[in-house]
Amino acid sequence: GAGVSQSPSNKVTEKGKDVELRCDPISGHTALYWYRQSLGQGLEFLIYFQGNSAPDKSGLPSDRFSAERTGGSVSTLTIQRTQQEDSAVYLCASSLSTGGGDSNQPQHFGDGTRLSIL
Amino acid sequence: AQSVAQPEDQVNVAEGNPLTVKCTYSVSGNPYPFWYVQYPNRGLQFLLKYITGDNLVKGSYGFEAEFNKSQTSFHLKKPSALVSDSALYFCAVRGPRAGNMLTFGGGTRLMVKP
Repeated sequence: GAGVSQSPSNKVTEKGKDVELRCDPISGHTALYWYRQSLGQGLEFLIYFQGNSAPDKSGLPSDRFSAERTGGSVSTLTIQRTQQEDSAVYLCASSLSTGGGDSNQPQHFGDGTRLSIL
Repeated sequence: AQSVAQPEDQVNVAEGNPLTVKCTYSVSGNPYPFWYVQYPNRGLQFLLKYITGDNLVKGSYGFEAEFNKSQTSFHLKKPSALVSDSALYFCAVRGPRAGNMLTFGGGTRLMVKP
């Protein structure tokens, strides 16, 4: 498809388990972002990748959260030892560029993964 | 730290009437505000963005936004609302850090009644 693809769309797991969320950005988009949407906190930035540069992890809420982006394309967000407060919708977005004259490029979002921790 | 405020949790409007969804922001440096819309169980869909020099920006589905530098506002408007416009609307500004991650407002639910 032409848009950002995320899988799974829904994930239910038990507290303490690890989960892995996947994001396939729009082809050719060099920038990739993860956000979290929850009732209490609204939309929060988690992590950002740009090409082959080191990611900006400044939004990750704890060291249980990590992400990687292989080959500059697909990204996975991993949450270890999940807690109930991790329940949220995890959104991935991609954009063409983030610097110079293209710095106002809009981010395009996937439909998210709804994560429920029992 | 930068922030975005959407003072109304919900806006109700009758179909055919004009609508306004308010957004104000606080940023260091030049502001680059955006509007996104979210339908149930979907991700955020880009509506429009501020273009330098344009105080009235036109976007998708007949929406437009009015940029006011002195009031640091970027209100979303539409001359004639449709029932299908009912959704959750988010205002956002891009971050000061390299990478332009977005800082979002809390969202405003727009309800358009027939």
